[in-house]
Amino acid sequence: DIQMTQSPSSLSASVGDRVTITCRASQSISSYLNWYQQKPGKAPKLLIYAASSLQSGVPSRFSGSGSGTDFTLTISSLQPEDFATYYCQQSYSTPDFFGQGTKLEIK
Amino acid sequence: QVQLVQSGAEVKKPGASVKVSCKVSGYTLTELSMHWVRQAPGKGLEWMGGFDPEDGETIYAQKFQGRVTMTEDTSTDTAYMELSSLRSEDTAVYYCATKIAVAGSWYFDYWGQGTLVTVSS
Repeated sequence: DIQMTQSPSSLSASVGDRVTITCRASQSISSYLNWYQQKPGKAPKLLIYAASSLQSGVPSRFSGSGSGTDFTLTISSLQPEDFATYYCQQSYSTPDFFGQGTKLEIK
Repeated sequence: QVQLVQSGAEVKKPGASVKVSCKVSGYTLTELSMHWVRQAPGKGLEWMGGFDPEDGETIYAQKFQGRVTMTEDTSTDTAYMELSSLRSEDTAVYYCATKIAVAGSWYFDYWGQGTLVTVSS
């Protein structure tokens, strides 16, 4: 099974900040990496698929990069609605493991 | 546009079973690859299993093998997830989610609203 490790597990930032979250796979997954945003009491929402493709309707301040084992999600300028928990997920092979999540909080 | 509407919250005793439903609208169930993901209180997302269109079979996470059964009623476009031998650690919100492939890359695109299952004596 391919394990996914995110860092940091939590992060405090201010509106307007540039933020980067990383995700590492236990083995190469090519570009089969997705990012989701989850707000309290809500289902996850897809942000980025295939490591760097922006899902339709997602603001362009979100971007993803990486391949192989190391990936990043970047928010270029934090907005108030971006404070949430972010998860990576590998889709290279079953089981579809998620990272443990990164909680982004207001500083 | 796919919509997934799940059944309501459940409270079960340890050792019992629970069956959660997920009603599809906007598409037919046969056009979709339905999966189930759960989230314990304050914890992360855990994939439980789902339909693999490449194999034509339902696959389950090893952790749930023997305790979970995922079925589909195509006449009503409703998917079901049944978990048996419940224990307190199964207390979680259970989500149905559709998985699609774009240019060979799979991801979960549509999600139900979640169903809280509480296991308590």
